[in-house]
Amino acid sequence: AQTVTQSQPEMSVQEAETVTLSCTYDTSENNYYLFWYKQPPSRQMILVIRQEAYKQQNATENRFSVNFQKAAKSFSLKISDSQLGDTAMYFCAFMKLNAGGTSYGKLTFGQGTILTVHP
Amino acid sequence: GAVVSQHPSWVICKSGTSVKIECRSLDFQATTMFWYRQFPKQSLMLMATSNEGSKATYEQGVEKDKFLINHASLTLSTLTVTSAHPEDSSFYICSARHRDRNSGRFWNEQFFGPGTRLTVL
Repeated sequence: AQTVTQSQPEMSVQEAETVTLSCTYDTSENNYYLFWYKQPPSRQMILVIRQEAYKQQNATENRFSVNFQKAAKSFSLKISDSQLGDTAMYFCAFMKLNAGGTSYGKLTFGQGTILTVHP
Repeated sequence: GAVVSQHPSWVICKSGTSVKIECRSLDFQATTMFWYRQFPKQSLMLMATSNEGSKATYEQGVEKDKFLINHASLTLSTLTVTSAHPEDSSFYICSARHRDRNSGRFWNEQFFGPGTRLTVL
């Protein structure tokens, strides 16, 4: 079974600054996806970024980037130029893939990190 | 594309009654849908995996007779909380797995509904 750990229950950052959210995971699988989801006060889950384990290059999406360290089983999220709208709960999630590169679809979530961006 | 809706968004019911929550994929086929439960400031807990045309697969510790799941079509799954009690009060979220109509391949991503807040008095 897979486990995902987010060791920072709460984080805060000033607007325009950079913040990094930590995530570690434990798995014996070699083929998987990792995700960061954002859940703002509206509680709608929003996909922030996705990383395929077979790709060495770290994924980026505008102000969001990850530091994926497969050997260390670490998957941190960096938010640059933080904005007030980034205030949300952030979840790291793991999805196992089968040999064909598809999945059963199940996500394993971390405990979440509440991020507050201050003006 | 890949929009998932839930209805109702908020429901209040009396203890002992049953409540049905609908999850719809609006613009894609969702052969697999997932139901989660979330308490305030906590993570999402997977309750069950719903596959179209077959019985749902429940996670360990989730009462099948309490949380009835039906996935009768490619765009609709329902969760019925039977004989609801105050401890069932929670935020329920569904998600759907996108299947490409042309290739038949699944996207390795889930699309989430906006959630349903259930309050049992």
